[in-house]
Amino acid sequence: QKEVEQNSGPLSVPEGAIASLNCTYSDRGSQSFFWYRQYSGKSPELIMSIYSNGDKEDGRFTAQLNKASQYVSLLIRDSQPSDSATYLCAVIAAGAGSYQLTFGKGTKLSVIP
Amino acid sequence: NAGVTQTPKFQVLKTGQSMTLQCAQDMNHNSMYWYRQDPGMGLRLIYYSASEGTTDKGEVPNGYNVSRLNKREFSLRLESAAPSQTSVYFCASSAPLGGAEQYFGPGTRLTVT
Repeated sequence: QKEVEQNSGPLSVPEGAIASLNCTYSDRGSQSFFWYRQYSGKSPELIMSIYSNGDKEDGRFTAQLNKASQYVSLLIRDSQPSDSATYLCAVIAAGAGSYQLTFGKGTKLSVIP
Repeated sequence: NAGVTQTPKFQVLKTGQSMTLQCAQDMNHNSMYWYRQDPGMGLRLIYYSASEGTTDKGEVPNGYNVSRLNKREFSLRLESAAPSQTSVYFCASSAPLGGAEQYFGPGTRLTVT
């Protein structure tokens, strides 16, 4: 059973601070890692993808991957109230079935003005 | 460029009724997916189509059927709706390679009474 675990939160940070969201996964063969943002009542929106160990930066977002520890994180710098949403970690395993995204249950982030 | 579109946006069914959820994408993606999202359960894959002419079961396929009508369209059918199928349904699509980024439609909110 492939599992993706996230702290459900809510995670509250003040405006302008760094928000740190964490995710662990059980399948060591996982090859692709994604962060989605989901506003209440809306669909998941892809914000970051990462495929190799290390950091990947895109604007205020940084994804970090450590395959040895089976851990992926998302940092949001200079957090804004508009970043308040649920953040979903998703993972695709290698090999057969490599189209199947397994999602965590999400971390709810609240950015306080 | 509309991305992924879904119809209808909302639907109420009585137990035992049937319906088809429609999904279309204009991104020339080969792969398409159907997910359901339930509170406390997260997003779960129902069926997917890696390419035109193929379909495969995901994590929760029971009670559903799918049709990949052409490269653009992928429909989900509930033959005899049950209250347990009350959920939000999302369609997604991705480029042809396994492990690729998936992009979601706006969703269909289905209630079965």
